[in-house]
Amino acid sequence: AQRVTQPEKLLSVFKGAPVELKCNYSYSGSPELFWYVQYSRQRLQLLLRHISRESIKGFTADLNKGETSFHLKKPFAQEEDSAMYYCALRGLSGYSTLTFGKGTMLLVSP
Amino acid sequence: KAGVTQTPRYLIKTRGQQVTLSCSPISGHRSVSWYQQTPGQGLQFLFEYFSETQRNKGNFPGRFSGRQFSNSRSEMNVSTLELGDSALYLCASSLGGQNGNTIYFGEGSWLTVV
Repeated sequence: AQRVTQPEKLLSVFKGAPVELKCNYSYSGSPELFWYVQYSRQRLQLLLRHISRESIKGFTADLNKGETSFHLKKPFAQEEDSAMYYCALRGLSGYSTLTFGKGTMLLVSP
Repeated sequence: KAGVTQTPRYLIKTRGQQVTLSCSPISGHRSVSWYQQTPGQGLQFLFEYFSETQRNKGNFPGRFSGRQFSNSRSEMNVSTLELGDSALYLCASSLGGQNGNTIYFGEGSWLTVV
């Protein structure tokens, strides 16, 4: 069975501090990993996907197959980063089925 | 182009009633999937449709059903509503091929069962 774990429900940091949102997964194979973000009163939107290996809004995430992790990082948090962040996995069957973690609320204070 | 559109946005139903939610995918997208979002369980996959066929199903009771039309629009239905069905129901669409396609979400339909 596939599973995504986000151990922190809430992460509170000050503006300018580094941020790391943790995500661990369980899957017998090579899945696709994603980070989705949901800003207040907005729809869920894709932030990053591991196959793209790109940086969006200063965020990066590296897939570590040995540790089965896909942690989201940003060196200097901004107030506008405050949102709910979800880590998600898509299995080998592909299609459009995502398994989500429970999410981490990031609060960035001035 | 227009994003994923869901209607209605908000609705209140009574226990025992049924409800139908509608989703219009992004133009050209052939895959539509549905998710239930609750504070306790988070985002849970309900089912996915591609070219009018259900090709994947989550672990929900048979009261939850769906369908997809030839224009890729989709509906989901919940019969005999229970209080625990109160949730945000999200629709998502993608091109539908295997790995690599971005999945886009709608704003959701807020269902309250009283």
